[in-house]
Amino acid sequence: QQQVKQSPQSLIVQKGGISIINCAYENTAFDYFPWYQQFPGKGPALLIAIRPDVSEKKEGRFTISFNKSAKQFSLHIMDSQPGDSATYFCAASKGAGKSTFGDGTTLTVKP
Amino acid sequence: NAGVTQTPKFQVLKTGQSMTLQCAQDMNHNSMYWYRQDPGMGLRLIYYSASEGTTDKGEVPNGYNVSRLNKREFSLRLESAAPSQTSVYFCASSESNGKETQYFGPGTRLLVL
Repeated sequence: QQQVKQSPQSLIVQKGGISIINCAYENTAFDYFPWYQQFPGKGPALLIAIRPDVSEKKEGRFTISFNKSAKQFSLHIMDSQPGDSATYFCAASKGAGKSTFGDGTTLTVKP
Repeated sequence: NAGVTQTPKFQVLKTGQSMTLQCAQDMNHNSMYWYRQDPGMGLRLIYYSASEGTTDKGEVPNGYNVSRLNKREFSLRLESAAPSQTSVYFCASSESNGKETQYFGPGTRLLVL
């Protein structure tokens, strides 16, 4: 049973455009929702994270929007740049439990 | 700080051979994890260790064993490698179990022929 569903699987955006990646979760006990960025040949690294007591968190060009009632959260990348081309993973965890990851989205930003 | 280090970076095995993947972290983290990453399937948890001296199975533990040697080191062993275990393996650590940010190593690329 996949507890975190991520879409789309791949995304192509023009430079300067907005990239949007969505995740949906099933377990209402999840209380921590990070996004990880992974470049080819590297390990994933934390990009931005949110807890369910807020509906939005912004760090530079990256924003997480969180909808607790719909059990959905999304990553928005404003003014997308070729250097943002990477694979993005959403994740969810609860208390002392383990993190569950989405299947990843490969983002390509065309110059 | 080196963060999370993994050895080797790349390995080729024949079916039936055994090997141990090494992982170490220098951030004094309590929890450590082993994942495998296959194309289109994201990160799947193999085993994790919530604290020194404890280990638990993750989503895909079959064919693997782990040892939490001390707080810094967490190794993954393949006793009899199979082609289905061809993958990229990532070790990660976090300050506590699950809730905090996970810090990943650079990965070990394993090919089983």
